[in-house]
Amino acid sequence: AQTVTQSQPEMSVQEAETVTLSCTYDTSESDYYLFWYKQPPSRQMILVIRQEAYKQQNATENRFSVNFQKAAKSFSLKISDSQLGDAAMYFCAYRSGGRQGGSEKLVFGKGTKLTVNP
Amino acid sequence: AAGVIQSPRHLIKEKRETATLKCYPIPRHDTVYWYQQGPGQDPQFLISFYEKMQSDKGSIPDRFSAQQFSDYHSELNMSSLELGDSALYFCASSRRTSGVTDTQYFGPGTRLTVL
Repeated sequence: AQTVTQSQPEMSVQEAETVTLSCTYDTSESDYYLFWYKQPPSRQMILVIRQEAYKQQNATENRFSVNFQKAAKSFSLKISDSQLGDAAMYFCAYRSGGRQGGSEKLVFGKGTKLTVNP
Repeated sequence: AAGVIQSPRHLIKEKRETATLKCYPIPRHDTVYWYQQGPGQDPQFLISFYEKMQSDKGSIPDRFSAQQFSDYHSELNMSSLELGDSALYFCASSRRTSGVTDTQYFGPGTRLTVL
């Protein structure tokens, strides 16, 4: 079974600074997707960024970018120019690609709580 | 853009009662997923449906059942409620294209409290 590990239960960053959240995963599949979801105090689950395993290029969405190291099974999220609104719980998630018949459910890490200090 | 709609947003029940949670997916999305998130926990997959058929099953108690209807909305039925069922229940939807399911988008969740 696939597992996702987030080794940083809590992180903090100063406003306007850069922070990197770590995520590692374990899988024997070659076709899969990785995601970062943000859960602010409202508890809404908001998609931050998505990465297809077959793509070598790291995904980027405005101030959010990932460092995807497939061989190391590492998928870290970098937040640049941190803003107060970035404060939230961040979950890393894995999903099978589906082509190999695997489950398409999301498997989440335990989350990293990010605090942004003014 | 239209999002996933869940109702009710909050629900308070007594032990041994039943509860029904509803989910309305994003228009043209054909796949629905249910997740349970306990206090301080990560979301756990319960069950999913594609084109009204159950497509996958996770750690869903036998006391729970779910279905997807012809208009693609889904309902999660929970019976003999226990204190441990108190959690945030998310519905997510996605669309399958060429046999591959796209990104899952989450609804706001239903907060269930069992007293």
